[in-house]
Amino acid sequence: GAGVSQSPRYKVAKRGQDVALRCDPISGHVSLFWYQQALGQGPEFLTYFQNEAQLDKSGLPSDRFFAERPEGSVSTLKIQRTQQEDSAVYLCASSLARGPNEQFFGPGTRLTVL
Amino acid sequence: AQSVTQLDSHVSVSEGTPVLLRCNYSSSYSPSLFWYVQHPNKGLQLLLKYTSAATLVKGINGFEAEFKKSETSFHLTKPSAHMSDAAEYFCVVSEDNYGQNFVFGPGTRLSVLP
Repeated sequence: GAGVSQSPRYKVAKRGQDVALRCDPISGHVSLFWYQQALGQGPEFLTYFQNEAQLDKSGLPSDRFFAERPEGSVSTLKIQRTQQEDSAVYLCASSLARGPNEQFFGPGTRLTVL
Repeated sequence: AQSVTQLDSHVSVSEGTPVLLRCNYSSSYSPSLFWYVQHPNKGLQLLLKYTSAATLVKGINGFEAEFKKSETSFHLTKPSAHMSDAAEYFCVVSEDNYGQNFVFGPGTRLSVLP
């Protein structure tokens, strides 16, 4: 079953807590993306990796957001000192190579900050 | 910079009637365009993509879209709606010159009435 997987599927955090969201891309996919989808809106780009290199992090909303992909496969999105406005679905996607390729999306992690 | 406009936030059709979901884009370079569908509690699934080949693109489940550069449009159509088509639809633009991240439109919710 070689789709993109994300964990946890649901996360509830108290304001001020740190959270870590995990993404397992499709094996062999070079590119990995994180998006944030607020309720009733389209996903918005956060950051992009090619293998282990983070080539674009222009979408990260603040320095509380940090992403890594140390071995070029699994990626973790970390949010420090969570705020209520961080509540959203966080989507991970992967694609095979450079260029305008189809991105394969995971089911997302729904983060609720109380 | 890239942007996507989906003119209708909600479209309602009767089963068996045609579907038209409108999308207009703004792009500085030759874009790649995609339509994704998101069913409740499921991940985003690619319907079809345009990457500078044929301007009329056929996708899965009977959907198709036509790229019209002069109108900067990429409208999604289907001749006959099915109940299972009820979902959220996102138009997406990607410019390779700006990297690989997708820019999503705000989405159109399609309702199919019996």
